[in-house]
Amino acid sequence: GAGVSQTPSNKVTEKGKYVELRCDPISGHTALYWYRQSLGQGPEFLIYFQGTGAADDSGLPNDRFFAVRPEGSVSTLKIQRTERGDSAVYLCASSSRGGSTDTQYFGPGTRLTVL
Amino acid sequence: QKEVEQNSGPLSVPEGAIASLNCTYSDRGSQSFFWYRQYSGKSPELIMSIYSNGDKEDGRFTAQLNKASQYVSLLIRDSQPSDSATYLCAVNKKNDYKLSFGAGTTVTVRA
Repeated sequence: GAGVSQTPSNKVTEKGKYVELRCDPISGHTALYWYRQSLGQGPEFLIYFQGTGAADDSGLPNDRFFAVRPEGSVSTLKIQRTERGDSAVYLCASSSRGGSTDTQYFGPGTRLTVL
Repeated sequence: QKEVEQNSGPLSVPEGAIASLNCTYSDRGSQSFFWYRQYSGKSPELIMSIYSNGDKEDGRFTAQLNKASQYVSLLIRDSQPSDSATYLCAVNKKNDYKLSFGAGTTVTVRA
């Protein structure tokens, strides 16, 4: 079946602008995660959804970052007033239930460049 | 101290040799351990998961876990050029869901 998809694959924006990154998880997966990966580093956790609710947003760096999953499927990560330090690859992952032994399947990522 | 530490490499091995990758973690409450492979410009792909002490083999890959010493390793036997990638170690805690990743070890297999 289809894997996790993310759009856009690349996003170039100017400092101060607003961006939205979209994630479409594997069908039927209730758990959805956002991670951010900077060059030469491993992915860093941002936020976790179980169904429609954000069960853990402790990884969001500040209040410029926000994410929603209104119908329990597609999720959108929103970044306001972008800064150059926000440049990274934003990865979305989904898993069937969200347990600690669940396999997380990653999407191809969105490469965000803030000029 | 980082939660998960790996040697960044690069680790260069000849084709057919064994590549050995190591990972240490700081939280004794860690319960689940994963190895992901990431090709350049691509997303992480799970290749092994291990939850109990000992060895777990899957094809050319063997994961080893030692909770007392807080390390997990990955062996790649009969390395192939297609194994050239960055290998990410990830852990999570009991009843937790978010993964903590190491920075990854870059492996290059020389033909």
